[in-house]
Amino acid sequence: AQKITQTQPGMFVQEKEAVTLDCTYDTSDQSYGLFWYKQPSSGEMIFLIYQGSYDEQNATEGRYSLNFQKARKSANLVISASQLGDSAMYFCAMRDQTRETSYDKVIFGPGTSLSVIP
Amino acid sequence: ETGVTQSPTHLIKTRGQQVTLRCSSQSGHNTVSWYQQALGQGPQFIFQYYREEENGRGNFPPRFSGLQFPNYSSELNVNALELDDSALYLCASSLPLGRGAASEAFFGQGTRLTVV
Repeated sequence: AQKITQTQPGMFVQEKEAVTLDCTYDTSDQSYGLFWYKQPSSGEMIFLIYQGSYDEQNATEGRYSLNFQKARKSANLVISASQLGDSAMYFCAMRDQTRETSYDKVIFGPGTSLSVIP
Repeated sequence: ETGVTQSPTHLIKTRGQQVTLRCSSQSGHNTVSWYQQALGQGPQFIFQYYREEENGRGNFPPRFSGLQFPNYSSELNVNALELDDSALYLCASSLPLGRGAASEAFFGQGTRLTVV
């Protein structure tokens, strides 16, 4: 069964510093997509970055980059130059893209709470 | 903003009652998924609708049901509410597999349901 593990329940980072949020995943599928979402206290799940299993280069979106190590099944999120507004819950997630299934669902990890300190 | 809107934003119901939550998907997205997020946990997949039919379900009992309409908006219905149903309910719209550059799911702001 597919599973996402995030081993850091809570993280602190100094403003303007970089931080890495860990994520490992387990799947037997060859084709899958990995995502990171940010969830502020308001509740909305905000899409940050996507990495396809066949993408050879690590994904980047502004201050967000994804350190994808396929052999180790890890997809860590790196946030550079942290800002106070980055304080939120961060979820690593995986979407099954296997065409044999009639539907796709997103499986989420338990999340990491990030606090940015002034 | 994602273009996915959910209503209501907050709701309080009594155990045993029924509730209907609503979701309008992002323009062009014909696939809608519902998730339940209990306090302190990641979202759990409830079910997905594609072209007005349920085409996938997670580990939730039949008292969780849904609908999708021709305009791709969707409803989540929960009958015989239990205290453990208290959670944030998230709706996500997406393109079918293989039709999006990133294939990400866009989420609404959620409906916070409290069962007392």
